[in-house]
Amino acid sequence: GAVVSQHPSRVICKSGTSVKIECRSLDFQATTMFWYRQFPKQSLMLMATSNEGSKATYEQGVEKDKFLINHASLTLSTLTVTSAHPEDSSFYICSARHLAGLTSTDTQYFGPGTRLTVL
Amino acid sequence: GEDVEQSLFLSVREGDSSVINCTYTDSSSTYLYWYKQEPGAGLQLLTYIFSNMDMKQDQRLTVLLNKKDKHLSLRIADTQTGDSAIYFCAESIKKYRYSGGGADGLTFGKGTHLIIQP
Repeated sequence: GAVVSQHPSRVICKSGTSVKIECRSLDFQATTMFWYRQFPKQSLMLMATSNEGSKATYEQGVEKDKFLINHASLTLSTLTVTSAHPEDSSFYICSARHLAGLTSTDTQYFGPGTRLTVL
Repeated sequence: GEDVEQSLFLSVREGDSSVINCTYTDSSSTYLYWYKQEPGAGLQLLTYIFSNMDMKQDQRLTVLLNKKDKHLSLRIADTQTGDSAIYFCAESIKKYRYSGGGADGLTFGKGTHLIIQP
């Protein structure tokens, strides 16, 4: 149980285009999903928190107009990188918060990641 | 502060125990986690410990938490070649972020590369 998928796994696009990445919780409902990015040989950095039915909460320094997040259902969150540039090339990983019973263990299950390369 | 520190590399012989250490600075951490990342793959949750616990054991994995020293360790018994990966320590924090909303994302260390020698 607690499987999170991401699509696509890898994308290459031209500078100036927009790219949408999907994150799905396959066998559980996730009221909260998180988006991280990971640069080569670096740790994961939290970009934003996505709450179902409300606006995403962005970390300081993350442009909300550039990284659009939509959490339309309890099993799907999308991250759209608008007008992508080479510096946006990174590994984007989502996670979904699994609620256990009546209280949350705060356990996050991670997707396999999406490798974005902007030419 | 939100720093989570880990050693970058650990080399052990196959069959020995591996001990990966982590220190954190945020005393308000609620949960602490260990994740495993294999090359080109996403993160796999290995185990987690609530901040009011001292120890948690799960098969070959033992987590020790010293809350006074803000020190977390992961011990892998009988290390196998399949354990070769990057291990991330992470803490769960609750703060109000830039946009004014509440968030409880994870703060990760830079990861420890576990290298297994035959």
